[in-house]
Amino acid sequence: EPEVTQTPSHQVTQMGQEVILRCVPISNHLYFYWYRQILGQKVEFLVSFYNNEISEKSEIFDDQFSVERPDGSNFTLKIRSTKLEDSAMYFCASSEQGRNQPQHFGDGTRLSIL
Amino acid sequence: RKEVEQDPGPFNVPEGATVAFNCTYSNSASQSFFWYRQDCRKEPKLLMSVYSSGNEDGRFTAQLNRASQYISLLIRDSKLSDSATYLCVVNGAAYKYIFGTGTRLKVLA
Repeated sequence: EPEVTQTPSHQVTQMGQEVILRCVPISNHLYFYWYRQILGQKVEFLVSFYNNEISEKSEIFDDQFSVERPDGSNFTLKIRSTKLEDSAMYFCASSEQGRNQPQHFGDGTRLSIL
Repeated sequence: RKEVEQDPGPFNVPEGATVAFNCTYSNSASQSFFWYRQDCRKEPKLLMSVYSSGNEDGRFTAQLNRASQYISLLIRDSKLSDSATYLCVVNGAAYKYIFGTGTRLKVLA
């Protein structure tokens, strides 16, 4: 069964540094998403991406964050000037279409900011 | 009112029991509804989509009540492997899915 893959599985970074989280969505999917889950809390939407542009973003997704699809397969989340509170599990997801379609999640990147 | 609200549990049930979870949502314009399961420190995995007519997948049955804005999940003949957190998911806008905090289920031998 096709799956969403994410790298790295765990990223440890010093506060203030920049990190790039990488995702390879399912190949025939057209919509891509990033979510985060702080330990012990619920999964929170960050951003959705379609046709090489952001289609929707949450209030969490401020100027510190950016997304990119640098080639035909990868989808990245960049976090600049990381803060302690950015420590969380970051999940990438993709869906075949946007509306009314289930999203399929990668197994996540655990980001630890020291 | 929270956008998506679930009883956090935990629900501790013996193997073979039937257990039901409810979820309420606040946005009457929501169109997409799902149940996901999440094991400890793992990714959410789609359990089933929820349709207006209700749907069943093996031991799992999902119902949607638009008038009362709630979704339910029924698990029959619980297995030890059903122990997980069950996440209610509703679309807040076209491409934004809103997750509930989840209901923890522990099936006991």
